[in-house]
Amino acid sequence: GAVVSQHPSWVICKSGTSVKIECRSLDFQATTMFWYRQFPKQSLMLMATSNEGSKATYEQGVEKDKFLINHASLTLSTLTVTSAHPEDSSFYICSAEGITGLPSTDTQYFGPGTRLTVL
Amino acid sequence: KNEVEQSPQNLTAQEGEFITINCSYSVGISALHWLQQHPGGGIVSLFMLSSGKKKHGRLIATINIQEKHSSLHITASHPRDSAVYICAVRKPGNQFYFGTGTSLTVIP
Repeated sequence: GAVVSQHPSWVICKSGTSVKIECRSLDFQATTMFWYRQFPKQSLMLMATSNEGSKATYEQGVEKDKFLINHASLTLSTLTVTSAHPEDSSFYICSAEGITGLPSTDTQYFGPGTRLTVL
Repeated sequence: KNEVEQSPQNLTAQEGEFITINCSYSVGISALHWLQQHPGGGIVSLFMLSSGKKKHGRLIATINIQEKHSSLHITASHPRDSAVYICAVRKPGNQFYFGTGTSLTVIP
């Protein structure tokens, strides 16, 4: 089946530092990846849609200068949280979809998530 | 008002029971997704629907576009089905709206 990995799985950092989260499709190529954020006891919130080779499309209310997204290849998208603050502490999840060769072209494949804690 | 409403918020069932989770939405959509999130946080996409009905094992998902309503059914429920089930709708242009989830606990 299609596998999406994220690295790191958890990270603790000091306020003011930047953190990079990687999302990789391990056995398929994905032109579109999505980045989500989930606060405790809440549902997912789509942050941005990332297309390979082009700028990401950010959802309303998500600061593009704070959450930098790079989708440089068909198997890798990165989310960098710049100048992280405690309120950025959350569970960040990526997903990939929609390219030939996947077991199913009508579904999303989710990464396991990255838990970020900013002290 | 949320664009996506799920019910119930919490559900406890005995093993073997038939379970239904409902999702209503208020926007025009290109597709509706049912997701399953386990306690560790991992998410699995169960179904993507744009019309009709889909079945996978003990899971059945239906959607009524005219009524803007979808249901997820679990037959012969099992403790391993315990998870949070999330309904998400996708508007044309990739805008997503998520329900707040239904927390299901299946007791042996």
